[in-house]
Amino acid sequence: AQSVTQLDSQVPVFEEAPVELRCNYSSSVSVYLFWYVQYPNQGLQLLLKYLSGSTLVKGINGFEAEFNKSQTSFHLRKPSVHISDTAEYFCAVSVTSGSRLTFGEGTQLTVNP
Amino acid sequence: ETGVTQSPTHLIKTRGQQVTLRCSSQSGHNTVSWYQQALGQGPQFIFQYYREEKNGRGNFPPRFSGLQFPNYSSELNVNALELDDSALYLCASSQDALFGEQYFGPGTRLTVT
Repeated sequence: AQSVTQLDSQVPVFEEAPVELRCNYSSSVSVYLFWYVQYPNQGLQLLLKYLSGSTLVKGINGFEAEFNKSQTSFHLRKPSVHISDTAEYFCAVSVTSGSRLTFGEGTQLTVNP
Repeated sequence: ETGVTQSPTHLIKTRGQQVTLRCSSQSGHNTVSWYQQALGQGPQFIFQYYREEKNGRGNFPPRFSGLQFPNYSSELNVNALELDDSALYLCASSQDALFGEQYFGPGTRLTVT
Protein backbone atom coordinates (compact mmCIF):
# COMPACT_ATOMS: atom_id res chain seq x y z
CA ALA A 1 0.00 0.00 0.00
CA GLN A 2 1.04 3.58 -0.53
CA SER A 3 0.65 6.64 1.66
CA VAL A 4 1.30 10.34 1.21
CA THR A 5 2.10 12.93 3.86
CA GLN A 6 1.91 16.61 3.12
CA LEU A 7 3.92 18.23 5.86
CA ASP A 8 2.15 21.60 5.93
CA SER A 9 -1.61 22.01 6.04
CA GLN A 10 -1.42 25.76 5.43
CA VAL A 11 1.28 27.91 3.83
CA PRO A 12 0.81 31.70 3.82
CA VAL A 13 3.21 33.72 1.68
CA PHE A 14 3.47 37.19 0.23
CA GLU A 15 3.12 37.85 -3.47
CA GLU A 16 6.37 37.43 -5.47
CA ALA A 17 7.98 35.38 -2.68
CA PRO A 18 9.25 31.85 -3.32
CA VAL A 19 7.30 28.90 -1.96
CA GLU A 20 7.89 25.22 -1.26
CA LEU A 21 5.11 22.74 -0.52
CA ARG A 22 6.45 19.55 1.00
CA CYS A 23 5.36 16.01 0.22
CA ASN A 24 6.72 12.70 1.50
CA TYR A 25 5.47 9.31 0.42
CA SER A 26 5.72 5.71 1.49
CA SER A 27 5.53 2.69 -0.80
CA SER A 28 6.97 -0.80 -1.03
CA VAL A 29 7.06 -0.56 -4.83
CA SER A 30 8.08 2.09 -7.32
CA VAL A 31 5.46 4.77 -7.79
CA TYR A 32 4.55 7.62 -10.04
CA LEU A 33 4.17 11.03 -8.38
CA PHE A 34 1.78 13.87 -9.07
CA TRP A 35 0.87 17.34 -7.90
CA TYR A 36 -2.69 18.60 -8.42
CA VAL A 37 -4.21 22.01 -7.74
CA GLN A 38 -7.81 22.61 -6.70
CA TYR A 39 -9.34 26.06 -6.90
CA PRO A 40 -12.46 26.77 -4.80
CA ASN A 41 -15.52 24.84 -5.94
CA GLN A 42 -13.63 23.16 -8.76
CA GLY A 43 -12.18 19.77 -9.60
CA LEU A 44 -8.51 18.86 -9.67
CA GLN A 45 -6.07 20.09 -12.29
CA LEU A 46 -2.76 18.35 -12.91
CA LEU A 47 0.22 20.61 -12.25
CA LEU A 48 3.00 18.14 -13.00
CA LYS A 49 3.95 14.49 -12.79
CA TYR A 50 7.04 12.34 -12.36
CA LEU A 51 7.00 9.08 -14.26
CA SER A 52 10.70 8.45 -14.89
CA GLY A 53 13.84 10.17 -16.10
CA SER A 54 15.04 13.52 -14.83
CA THR A 55 14.23 14.04 -11.17
CA LEU A 56 13.44 17.73 -11.74
CA VAL A 57 10.00 18.06 -13.27
CA LYS A 58 8.58 21.27 -14.67
CA GLY A 59 4.85 21.84 -14.77
CA ILE A 60 2.30 24.45 -15.63
CA ASN A 61 2.07 27.96 -14.17
CA GLY A 62 5.80 28.08 -13.36
CA PHE A 63 5.75 25.25 -10.82
CA GLU A 64 8.42 22.57 -10.57
CA ALA A 65 9.07 19.59 -8.31
CA GLU A 66 12.04 17.44 -7.48
CA PHE A 67 11.84 13.71 -6.92
CA ASN A 68 14.20 12.47 -4.22
CA LYS A 69 14.12 8.69 -4.02
CA SER A 70 16.42 8.37 -1.01
CA GLN A 71 14.30 10.77 1.03
CA THR A 72 11.03 9.58 -0.57
CA SER A 73 10.04 13.17 -1.18
CA PHE A 74 8.49 15.15 -4.02
CA HIS A 75 8.45 18.80 -2.97
CA LEU A 76 6.72 21.42 -5.10
CA ARG A 77 8.36 24.81 -5.65
CA LYS A 78 7.70 28.10 -7.35
CA PRO A 79 10.28 30.92 -7.36
CA SER A 80 7.73 33.75 -7.34
CA VAL A 81 4.05 33.31 -6.51
CA HIS A 82 1.05 35.34 -7.60
CA ILE A 83 -2.26 36.06 -5.93
CA SER A 84 -3.86 33.70 -8.46
CA ASP A 85 -1.83 30.77 -7.07
CA THR A 86 -4.01 30.78 -3.96
CA ALA A 87 -5.55 27.30 -3.92
CA GLU A 88 -5.39 23.85 -2.34
CA TYR A 89 -2.52 21.67 -3.55
CA PHE A 90 -2.52 17.88 -3.41
CA CYS A 91 0.36 15.48 -3.75
CA ALA A 92 -0.55 12.01 -5.02
CA VAL A 93 1.08 8.68 -5.92
CA SER A 94 0.05 5.69 -7.99
CA VAL A 95 1.59 2.40 -9.02
CA THR A 96 0.95 3.15 -12.69
CA SER A 97 0.06 6.53 -14.13
CA GLY A 98 -3.53 5.48 -14.80
CA SER A 99 -4.31 3.44 -11.72
CA ARG A 100 -5.83 4.58 -8.46
CA LEU A 101 -4.34 7.73 -6.99
CA THR A 102 -3.51 7.95 -3.30
CA PHE A 103 -3.68 11.58 -2.18
CA GLY A 104 -2.25 13.50 0.71
CA GLU A 105 -4.42 15.68 2.93
CA GLY A 106 -3.64 18.81 0.96
CA THR A 107 -1.83 22.10 1.55
CA GLN A 108 -3.72 25.38 1.42
CA LEU A 109 -1.49 27.98 -0.21
CA THR A 110 -2.58 31.54 0.47
CA VAL A 111 -0.78 34.33 -1.35
CA ASN A 112 -1.19 37.72 0.28
CA PRO A 113 -0.57 41.10 -1.38
CA GLU B 1 -13.14 18.62 -27.22
CA THR B 2 -15.51 18.33 -24.27
CA GLY B 3 -13.94 17.66 -20.91
CA VAL B 4 -15.24 15.51 -18.07
CA THR B 5 -18.68 16.58 -16.93
CA GLN B 6 -20.63 15.59 -13.82
CA SER B 7 -24.25 15.97 -12.81
CA PRO B 8 -25.81 17.23 -10.74
CA THR B 9 -23.58 20.00 -9.40
CA HIS B 10 -25.15 19.99 -5.97
CA LEU B 11 -27.49 17.59 -4.23
CA ILE B 12 -29.17 17.47 -0.83
CA LYS B 13 -30.47 14.16 0.46
CA THR B 14 -31.85 12.81 3.70
CA ARG B 15 -30.17 10.06 5.72
CA GLY B 16 -31.34 6.64 4.52
CA GLN B 17 -32.12 7.75 0.97
CA GLN B 18 -30.37 6.62 -2.19
CA VAL B 19 -28.50 8.80 -4.68
CA THR B 20 -27.15 8.44 -8.22
CA LEU B 21 -24.34 10.62 -9.51
CA ARG B 22 -23.38 10.78 -13.16
CA CYS B 23 -20.15 11.31 -15.04
CA SER B 24 -19.51 11.77 -18.75
CA SER B 25 -15.98 10.90 -19.72
CA GLN B 26 -13.82 12.89 -22.07
CA SER B 27 -13.98 11.93 -25.73
CA GLY B 28 -11.70 8.97 -26.48
CA HIS B 29 -11.46 7.86 -22.86
CA ASN B 30 -12.50 4.36 -21.81
CA THR B 31 -11.70 4.48 -18.09
CA VAL B 32 -13.53 6.25 -15.28
CA SER B 33 -12.42 6.51 -11.65
CA TRP B 34 -14.51 7.82 -8.76
CA TYR B 35 -13.17 9.60 -5.68
CA GLN B 36 -14.77 10.93 -2.49
CA GLN B 37 -13.38 14.14 -1.03
CA ALA B 38 -14.64 14.94 2.45
CA LEU B 39 -14.34 18.52 3.63
CA GLY B 40 -10.76 19.45 4.41
CA GLN B 41 -9.35 16.13 3.20
CA GLY B 42 -7.73 14.70 0.12
CA PRO B 43 -9.73 12.63 -2.35
CA GLN B 44 -10.11 8.92 -1.61
CA PHE B 45 -10.41 6.30 -4.34
CA ILE B 46 -13.80 4.56 -4.50
CA PHE B 47 -13.49 2.41 -7.64
CA GLN B 48 -12.48 2.39 -11.28
CA TYR B 49 -14.23 1.11 -14.40
CA TYR B 50 -12.43 0.09 -17.57
CA ARG B 51 -14.44 -0.79 -20.67
CA GLU B 52 -17.57 -1.46 -18.57
CA GLU B 53 -15.78 -3.73 -16.10
CA LYS B 54 -14.83 -2.86 -12.53
CA ASN B 55 -11.05 -2.53 -12.35
CA GLY B 56 -10.29 -1.98 -8.69
CA ARG B 57 -12.07 -0.84 -5.56
CA GLY B 58 -11.05 1.21 -2.55
CA ASN B 59 -12.05 0.75 1.06
CA PHE B 60 -15.72 1.67 0.76
CA PRO B 61 -18.74 -0.38 1.89
CA PRO B 62 -20.89 -2.30 -0.61
CA ARG B 63 -23.61 0.34 -0.50
CA PHE B 64 -21.30 2.29 -2.83
CA SER B 65 -21.79 0.78 -6.27
CA GLY B 66 -21.38 1.86 -9.85
CA LEU B 67 -21.45 0.97 -13.46
CA GLN B 68 -20.06 2.09 -16.77
CA PHE B 69 -22.08 2.30 -19.96
CA PRO B 70 -21.06 1.36 -23.53
CA ASN B 71 -20.34 5.04 -24.27
CA TYR B 72 -17.99 4.95 -21.21
CA SER B 73 -20.04 7.34 -19.13
CA SER B 74 -20.50 6.17 -15.56
CA GLU B 75 -22.78 6.26 -12.54
CA LEU B 76 -22.02 6.14 -8.85
CA ASN B 77 -24.84 4.88 -6.65
CA VAL B 78 -24.92 5.20 -2.89
CA ASN B 79 -27.63 3.43 -0.89
CA ALA B 80 -28.74 4.01 2.69
CA LEU B 81 -27.06 7.41 2.87
CA GLU B 82 -25.27 8.35 6.08
CA LEU B 83 -24.29 11.78 7.34
CA ASP B 84 -20.62 10.94 6.71
CA ASP B 85 -21.36 10.48 3.02
CA SER B 86 -21.54 14.26 2.73
CA ALA B 87 -18.62 15.12 0.44
CA LEU B 88 -17.50 16.25 -2.99
CA TYR B 89 -17.61 13.31 -5.39
CA LEU B 90 -15.10 13.53 -8.20
CA CYS B 91 -14.86 11.44 -11.30
CA ALA B 92 -11.83 11.25 -13.54
CA SER B 93 -11.54 9.76 -17.00
CA SER B 94 -8.48 8.50 -18.80
CA GLN B 95 -7.53 6.91 -22.11
CA ASP B 96 -6.15 3.83 -20.46
CA ALA B 97 -6.57 2.12 -17.09
CA LEU B 98 -2.85 1.64 -16.65
CA PHE B 99 -1.02 4.56 -18.21
CA GLY B 100 -3.54 7.21 -19.11
CA GLU B 101 -3.46 10.55 -17.34
CA GLN B 102 -6.60 11.10 -15.27
CA TYR B 103 -8.65 14.20 -16.09
CA PHE B 104 -11.02 15.30 -13.34
CA GLY B 105 -14.51 16.68 -13.58
CA PRO B 106 -15.76 19.57 -11.42
CA GLY B 107 -17.43 17.23 -8.93
CA THR B 108 -20.84 16.79 -7.35
CA ARG B 109 -21.33 18.24 -3.88
CA LEU B 110 -23.55 15.87 -1.87
CA THR B 111 -25.02 16.99 1.43
CA VAL B 112 -26.78 14.43 3.62
CA THR B 113 -29.02 15.81 6.36
